Order: sequence, then C-alpha cells, then structure tokens
Amino acid sequence: TQLLEQSPQFLSIQEGENLTVYCNSSSVFSSLQWYRQEPGEGPVLLVTVVTGGEVKKLKRLTFQFGDARKDSSLHITAAQPGDTGLYLCAGAPGGSYIPTFGRGTSLIVHP
Amino acid sequence: DAGVIQSPRHEVTEMGQEVTLRCKPISGHDYLFWYRQTMMRGLELLIYFNNNVPIDDSGMPEDRFSAKMPNASFSTLKIQPSEPRDSAVYFCASRQGQSYEQYFGPGTRLTVT
Repeated sequence: TQLLEQSPQFLSIQEGENLTVYCNSSSVFSSLQWYRQEPGEGPVLLVTVVTGGEVKKLKRLTFQFGDARKDSSLHITAAQPGDTGLYLCAGAPGGSYIPTFGRGTSLIVHP
Repeated sequence: DAGVIQSPRHEVTEMGQEVTLRCKPISGHDYLFWYRQTMMRGLELLIYFNNNVPIDDSGMPEDRFSAKMPNASFSTLKIQPSEPRDSAVYFCASRQGQSYEQYFGPGTRLTVT
C-alpha cells in the first residue's frame, strides 16, 4: 500500500497547455515536498509546504497544500518542454523529518 | 561546491556477485540516506545515518544488503550475493540537520543479469 498516491501516473501534453498533478493520502503530514527528477539524475527539491491551505508559487508552478494537510497539488501554467520530468511528492508524518515518497507523475511536454 | 557524489554511475554484474556502491555526501551534512528506485515500487528508503550512525535500516530488503558509514565523508551500500531483482537505480542523499531538504546524488544504475 502506497502512503502517498500520485495522479495521473503519466501525462503527455503540448507546449503551452496547463496541467495539474495531485498527491493524496489518508494520513496527515507535518510537511510535504515536491521534487522534479530529470532522466539520469536524482530528484531536485522544488518546494516545501508546511501549513494547511498554503499556496506557493515558483514562476509558472503553483503548489497547494490541502487544508487538512493530507493532500497537495501542483499546477503548471503554459507548460514548456523544459518542464519534462518525473514529479515526486514526499510527505513527512507529524514530528518526523523522514519523508515517504509517492511513485511520481511522469510528464512529457512536446514542442 | 560539489554535490553528492556517487560511484559507479552504472554497474552491470552477474547474479551471485558482490556489488559495492559508494557515496560521498555534501561536506557538513550530518544525515545520509540510501534509496532504491524502481518503476514498480518508486523511491524507497533503505537506510539512513545520522553522524555516521545507522538510525533506521528497516527498509533494507534482506540480509544480503548492508550499509556502512566509516566517516562523515563516505558511505557504502553492499549487496552480497546480488540477484536480478536487485536491478534498480540506487540513490544516495544527504542533508544538514532536521530539515526537509535533501540533496540527491545522480544515482547508480545497477543491472544484475
């Protein structure tokens, strides 16, 4: 059983489209992180959210933490080929700094 | 500054052979993590160290796997004997203190035939 469920598993879109990917759990997390992993590389941290309802923006990427701190979403506006990669969410249970990772959403943006 | 360094980047070996993966964490980081990534199971935590001491090895699949951290700048993950189901990408990550940000190495792609 996966603690963090990510959807969709795969996403293939054209440049300029908008998209949203989701990270859901039945557990409450003290924090949630989003990473991007490019082929042949390790994951790189994009953002950490710690407060229920929190919204953070990173250029064209908008991250939201659910009010109950059980879920999160990542919205990309006007996707570009450079956004291609595996997007992983990771959550740390209350009081822990050791995250559990979801399986990720594999995004391909076609020029 | 150099990031997390892993070697080798690729390893192909035959079933039954011993495999040793190496990691050099970022200088000053006191936590080191070993992960395994597969399509089926995603990114799984195998073991982590704090100040060179193993804290939680509950993710280590079985006795064939062992990890050591003899000093603050070096860690190894050993598989003996290796099996085809061990084929995966193995990542090392490090971080400083009780923070959420981990820094990952480029990974070692292991293929056991």
